[in-house]
Order: sequence, then structure tokens, then C-alpha cells
Amino acid sequence: QVHLVQSGAEVKKPGASVKVSCKASGYSFTSYFMHWVRQAPGQGLEWMGIINPRGGMATYPQKFKGRVTMTRDTSASTVYMELSSLRSEDTAVYYCARGMGMTTVTPDFDYWGQGTLVTVSS
Amino acid sequence: DIQMTQSPSSLPASVGDRVIITCRASQSISTDLNWFQQIPGKAPKLLIYGTSSLQNGVPSRFSGSGSGTDFTLTISSLQSEDFATYYCQQSHITPYTFGQGTTLAIK
Repeated sequence: QVHLVQSGAEVKKPGASVKVSCKASGYSFTSYFMHWVRQAPGQGLEWMGIINPRGGMATYPQKFKGRVTMTRDTSASTVYMELSSLRSEDTAVYYCARGMGMTTVTPDFDYWGQGTLVTVSS
Repeated sequence: DIQMTQSPSSLPASVGDRVIITCRASQSISTDLNWFQQIPGKAPKLLIYGTSSLQNGVPSRFSGSGSGTDFTLTISSLQSEDFATYYCQQSHITPYTFGQGTTLAIK
């Protein structure tokens, strides 16, 4: 069965960076895209970007360009999301979510990680 | 960016009620519309994709319809486990955007 297991909670100071990991199991890691979505406390969902684990290419929304970097380690079936220049508004739960398959017809966002709380506070 | 607007923002309801949540896109998204359910403290769960396709394991009381800019999620007979927040999301063009959410509350 598909599992996405994320790294643990982080507390960071303003201006610092955070790197969250998402380890995939139960499917072919390089055959599905991976999204990152965040949710500030009491707020809605915000899409942060998508990475193709096969070639490593990522696409980010304009809002996060220059601050977010998504990478992957195929040997560990793990994707990473690094957010830099953190500010208080970046306090949120960060989720990875499996994207659609590259060779099979499956829906986007069908499996989610458990979420990682990142708190930005001085 | 495509803006997604849900209504209502909150909806008091009772077990057994038929519930309809609407979602409007600021421009046409064809049928590239997903619905998610989120219980507090948990990750979102995909309910419906491509406007009307039920995700595996989701009860048949959930259904979706629409196209272009106007979409609906219908719960035919509300169960106690359905009290949660629901989000629509467009996957037509990046950046993928979500509605602000609709919270079903016990009347």
C-alpha cells in the first residue's frame, strides 16, 4: 500500500531555512509526480509546487519562486521541500501529496503525507 | 491565477440531510476540478476528481457535477462522519488553486 511519511516538526527563526522530507513507499517512486501543499493555522490549502521525481524538474508558483526548492533522492524514494528566508507567515503544516502517474491513469493528490508543522518564531 | 470561490463558507446540517456545496472558478477550467474532505488535524482526503469521478473507497453518497466555471459537490444523505471541511481545487492550469473551504457543522 502507498505511504508517504514526512519528517518531524520544526521550529525556525525568521530568516532561516527549513527542509522537509517525504519518503514514499508502496509504489514506483519515479512513475508519479509529487506535490507540496501547505496550510497555515486555521486557514485553507495552498499549492506550493510539483516535482517530477524521474528527472528532478520542478515547477513553482510565482509566489514562491526564489524561496522554494524541491529536490529528490531516487535511491531513498524521498522528495524534499526547502523553503528559505522564513517569516512568521510561513508558519504552517506542510504536506506532500502524490501526483498523477506518468504511465498510468491515476488522479492527482490521491495520497497525502501526514503533514509537518513548521513554526517560525523569534 | 484562477480564483476558486466556494459557497457557503459554513453550513449547519443534520444527519440524513442532502447537502450541496458549490464552487465557482474565475475562468473556465473544463472539468479539471477536484474535491477534498479534511477532518481537523488530518491531511486532506481526495473525494472526487475530474469533476465527477469518485475516488476509490469513497461512499457513493458523494457525487460531483459541473463544467466550465460552476461545480457542485452533493452529499445525498449526510452521515456523522461527514462533518468536516470540504475544499474544491482546480487542476486545469498551474498554479493549482483551492477554494477557501466549506465547513459542515452539526445543526
